Amino acid sequence: DAGVTQSPTHLIKTRGQQVTLRCSPKSGHDTVSWYQQALGQGPQFIFQYYEEEERQRGNFPDRFSGHQFPNYSSELNVNALLLGDSALYLCASSLGGGSEQFFGPGTRLTVL
Amino acid sequence: AQKVTQAQTEISVVEKEDVTLDCVYETRDTTYYLFWYKQPPSGELVFLIRRNSFDEQNEISGRYSWNFQKSTSSFNFTITASQVVDSAVYFCALSEGNYGQNFVFGPGTRLSVLP
Repeated sequence: DAGVTQSPTHLIKTRGQQVTLRCSPKSGHDTVSWYQQALGQGPQFIFQYYEEEERQRGNFPDRFSGHQFPNYSSELNVNALLLGDSALYLCASSLGGGSEQFFGPGTRLTVL
Repeated sequence: AQKVTQAQTEISVVEKEDVTLDCVYETRDTTYYLFWYKQPPSGELVFLIRRNSFDEQNEISGRYSWNFQKSTSSFNFTITASQVVDSAVYFCALSEGNYGQNFVFGPGTRLSVLP
């Protein structure tokens, strides 16, 4: 039973570029959440997707957008990258709400 | 707004010592969930436990135990007879409502277990 997978593992971009990160949830899970974890800090909630809709959103600008596909996989898009967007981006899946979230290994994004 | 505080930034103990990681939370919801996650150097967050706001029963799992006290809004985590493999960053987290809304992590506590 595969857990949560994310791609790519690492990514290097320059300021102003756009990036797309991908996440496949754990088998049987229907909810995907995205988090940004800056170095030395706890993960910050970006948004959560359920039934292909954004169910809730954290305090992130519109440059951060997402999508969930019918197979429950998800993408995180970040436009007009800033140096401050450099972080570990974590995807978590769960079955509905309130249940424990299982995290993927993350994508390390570096913006130069 | 909800908030999770982990006052201990870093803790160092010698192997076989017991160690307690503190977590204090703030929420206005009556229905909420509390979590502990472990983040080893590899970076992947590992789920340890979930408690809901209506279940204050303490829990023990092997060397791990959790003490949930609503009266003090605390959800502390104790590792008994610590081992070097316990070295990691530990995060306490809170989600509100029936659908796990507003998932908030604390800043984490870095635990170093020395041989």
